[in-house]
Amino acid sequence: GQNIDQPTEMTATEGAIVQINCTYQTSGFNGLFWYQQHAGEAPTFLSYNVLDGLEEKGRFSSFLSRSKGYSYLLLKELQMKDSASYLCAVRDGDYKLSFGAGTTVTVRA
Amino acid sequence: IAGITQAPTSQILAAGRRMTLRCTQDMRHNAMYWYRQDLGLGLRLIHYSNTAGTTGKGEVPDGYSVSRANTDDFPLTLASAVPSQTSVYFCASSDSGHTDTQYFGPGTRLTVL
Repeated sequence: GQNIDQPTEMTATEGAIVQINCTYQTSGFNGLFWYQQHAGEAPTFLSYNVLDGLEEKGRFSSFLSRSKGYSYLLLKELQMKDSASYLCAVRDGDYKLSFGAGTTVTVRA
Repeated sequence: IAGITQAPTSQILAAGRRMTLRCTQDMRHNAMYWYRQDLGLGLRLIHYSNTAGTTGKGEVPDGYSVSRANTDDFPLTLASAVPSQTSVYFCASSDSGHTDTQYFGPGTRLTVL
């Protein structure tokens, strides 16, 4: 089976930076995704990494180290609207997506 | 363009009843997926379809069936609902088969009593 771990909850202040870590052990690897999910809504795509390194997209960046089975999502200049769950998902050797349980980020004023 | 639509939005169902959750996409994506999301467990794949006319089993397929008669529609059927199937169900689709990014519908909240 697949094993994807990420912290359950994180709290940060508006304007700050938060880093959400994700570690994984899967049967094969064909890319890692981060999704954002606001309460009661559908997950929405944030980022995709398949090679080692950092991908930057505005206030959000995602990093991948395949040798360590590790990724992080960096949220900069936090805004209240960033309060949501962040889902780490790994595409395995059969091209199936396996999701972590999600990290709930609460942004305080 | 609506993207992916799901129906119903929510449903309360008596145990033992049959229920079909509907999913329609207008993006002409080849692949479609059904997930369930439960607190503390994350999204788990129930069934998938890489292209019209084909389906496959995911991580938790028992008690569910799907069909893919055309590109746009991918209904999920619970033949005889049980309380453990109480969950939020998300349909998703992706463009170039299983290698592309998946996009999710708004979800169906199902309660089985």
